[in-house]
Amino acid sequence: EAQVTQNPRYLITVTGKKLTVTCSQNMNHEYMSWYRQDPGLGLRQIYYSMNVEVTDKGDVPEGYKVSRKEKRNFPLILESPSPNQTSLYFCASSLKAGGLTDTQYFGPGTRLTVL
Amino acid sequence: KQEVTQIPAALSVPEGENLVLNCSFTDSAIYNLQWFRQDPGKGLTSLLLIQSSQREQTSGRLNASLDKSSGRSTLYIAASQPGDSATYLCAVSGGSYIPTFGRGTSLIVHP
Repeated sequence: EAQVTQNPRYLITVTGKKLTVTCSQNMNHEYMSWYRQDPGLGLRQIYYSMNVEVTDKGDVPEGYKVSRKEKRNFPLILESPSPNQTSLYFCASSLKAGGLTDTQYFGPGTRLTVL
Repeated sequence: KQEVTQIPAALSVPEGENLVLNCSFTDSAIYNLQWFRQDPGKGLTSLLLIQSSQREQTSGRLNASLDKSSGRSTLYIAASQPGDSATYLCAVSGGSYIPTFGRGTSLIVHP
């Protein structure tokens, strides 16, 4: 089944404890991205990747890191999480690279709470 | 900076009604627009993608139109069903490739 998977789905952590949220797609997509969704603010893009080893900042990259060492994986790293990073996170991918150029496929989301 | 507004924010209708959801954007220099559906506790599902050179797209009971000059898109849902209940999101992207999403319209279709 073609899908985007994220792990974990739910995470409660404490301020400053490094964490990684994994994202994997099995559709051989070039483009992958991370979003956060907050009440009243809508979805905002954190980082995106046009292809392997190519990543760039989205609208709200502060406090996050990403890497794209393999085409299928695009982990989101929070080196020192803070309470303002409590949010619902989504990973997405598309066959062609570039914004909304192609149909976007979203993962199920990761709900992160930073205490 | 691009801003996307969706009206109404919430909508509750009886089954069978034809619906129009509105999306407006402030910068008409977009490359494409995409409508999504989000169910509670789940990710987004792409419904329709409209390229900047297109005026509309159709899929089943859904029809989306795009008027770049006026900065508007509409999603038309024909013969609504309870299974259509969800939040509908509109998003646009331009030269920066960073999408801008609206806050969504929460739709409830009651039997």
